[in-house]
Order: sequence, then structure tokens, then C-alpha cells
Amino acid sequence: GQQLNQSPQSMFIQEGEDVSMNCTSSSIFNTWLWYKQDPGEGPVLLIALYKAGELTSNGRLTAQFGITRKDSFLNISASIPSDVGIYFCAGTYGNKLVFGAGTILRVKS
Amino acid sequence: NAGVTQTPKFQVLKTGQSMTLQCAQDMNHNSMYWYRQDPGMGLRLIYYSASEGTTDKGEVPNGYNVSRLNKREFSLRLESAAPSQTSVYFCASSEAPKGAANEKLFFGSGTQLSVL
Repeated sequence: GQQLNQSPQSMFIQEGEDVSMNCTSSSIFNTWLWYKQDPGEGPVLLIALYKAGELTSNGRLTAQFGITRKDSFLNISASIPSDVGIYFCAGTYGNKLVFGAGTILRVKS
Repeated sequence: NAGVTQTPKFQVLKTGQSMTLQCAQDMNHNSMYWYRQDPGMGLRLIYYSASEGTTDKGEVPNGYNVSRLNKREFSLRLESAAPSQTSVYFCASSEAPKGAANEKLFFGSGTQLSVL
């Protein structure tokens, strides 16, 4: 099946730092979605992207739909302890929704 | 404002036992899903239902059955649990159909299942 390569697998950063993570694929995706999963909870949608080149913000989060439609990135500015969790990218490919393996974010306070 | 409600939250089974995971949504969504989450593998689709009375296999359907009882409820059944089914299970719903450009999933809080 189609795979999304999400990186990094995990990161451990200092509170206040900016964070960047991305998803790449060898195929073209029609939409990109970014989810966050808090410990013991289900994923929650953060940002949805629908057009190549689209840049969308949600508070301290910014995500972009890559111009080639094969990648997307998520930036978090000025990280805080509650940013801890797993961040998933997902993409619509044909009639399928495919998830990346997730980036585990740990923040040092 | 319940959204997607899953029960139980935790379950331990012995190999060969059966059980049903329950899911209900109150957002009037047509599409409902069952996923499993395993470390390092992201979310994998077990079954999908586009509407009441219809179900389709996903990426990993073996060992599972589903039932879309009505628009609100979508249950997942393990007839004879195996250790390989130890996982966290998530139910989700969406207003748009699977694969649609505006497909946005709303997830329940998950069921942590251990099969010994």
C-alpha cells in the first residue's frame, strides 16, 4: 500500500524552541491532514490542506502542502509543555486515507 | 458534546475469547471507521462503513467482523482473539465519504486491548 514517510520519528526539545516535522511520499496526494494525539486519547485534527502550495496556520502551528503534492510539513513555534504528544500526518490518495507512523514530541520544561 | 464514544476503555482477553467493541457518534456522520494503532505503524484501517447497512474491508480486516447497526453505531467484533490483535483500537467518523477531498476524521478516545 501507499506509504507516508514521517520524520523525525521522535524529538526531544527545549520549551520555547520551534519544531519542524514533515511527511513525504513518492506519490501525489490530494489532501494533507495533520493530527495530534495526546496520551490516552484519540487523534484530533489540527490542520487540513487542500491545494498545492497552501500554507495554513492554527495558532502556533503552521502547515504547508508541498508544491509537488508529495510532501507536507508542520511547524510549531515557541513550544510549550502541552505540545507533548504524537503528531500524525495523513493524506488522501485515490479513495484511501493513509496515515504516517507519527512523530513523538517530548518537551523539556 | 460527546462526539465519538467508544467502550470499553481497556480490555484484557485470553486467546480464543470473543468480544465486541462498541462505538457511537452523535454528529450525524455517514462514514464510520475502525482503526488499529500499533507502535511505529501509524493507524491502519480495519473496516469502513459508508452508511447504515454497508461495510467494506480495510487494510487489515482478518480476524474481525463489524456491524453498522444504524447511522450512529458501528461495532467491531473479535470472534476468537489472538495475541496479534493486542493493540489500541480507534473508532472514527466523518461527514465526507472515504477518500473525499474534504474527508476529516473525528476519533474516539480508543480501546486498549491486550490478548494473553
